[in-house]
Amino acid sequence: NAGVTQTPKFQVLKTGQSMTLQCAQDMNHEYMSWYRQDPGMGLRLIHYSVGAGITDQGEVPNGYNVSRSTTEDFPLRLLSAAPSQTSVYFCASGRHGTGQETQYFGPGTRLLVL
Amino acid sequence: GENVEQHPSTLSVQEGDSAVIKCTYSDSASNYFPWYKQELGKGPQLIIDIRSNVGEKKDQRIAVTLNKTAKHFSLHITETQPEDSAVYFCAASSNDYKLSFGAGTTVTVRA
Repeated sequence: NAGVTQTPKFQVLKTGQSMTLQCAQDMNHEYMSWYRQDPGMGLRLIHYSVGAGITDQGEVPNGYNVSRSTTEDFPLRLLSAAPSQTSVYFCASGRHGTGQETQYFGPGTRLLVL
Repeated sequence: GENVEQHPSTLSVQEGDSAVIKCTYSDSASNYFPWYKQELGKGPQLIIDIRSNVGEKKDQRIAVTLNKTAKHFSLHITETQPEDSAVYFCAASSNDYKLSFGAGTTVTVRA
């Protein structure tokens, strides 16, 4: 049971490039989400999904796309990277149901946009 | 949306002393309050959580208290040890499962 895995661990992009951050979980969790972490700002929700085929926007969705074709995977796409997207990105997963709100985080992807 | 404020931003304690971190939230509909510990270069790890129908919860040296009327909750770490040094985040969510995080507290335990 690997939990939540994220790839790559570190990435450098040039402004305007695109890339996909990968997230996978093997706990059969319905709920998955993406957060970005910036100094002094805690973690902010980008997008989330309550199940395969269902996604929705969080607090800071602009510049990011997501899809959820399977229960296990929840990739985050940057279509045209900007320096403001330099951050550490965390994926999280959890069960969906009353009393099951616990979310588990992956190790993160550090992204630098030049 | 939910706004979570966390204090202090940094906390230095002597080994063996207690550490207290406080958070306030704005949305009265919030009903789930987790605390996460983040070590350098790693993802946040859940250490304890509390739901709105409970006032206090303990797990060995860690405890969390919740005051729904005042909309604040606190993390208490007793008998601190060097391995408690990390960044701690509080968070809040309602039935939509979207976590709103505080800005974090950097805890340093001095040997």
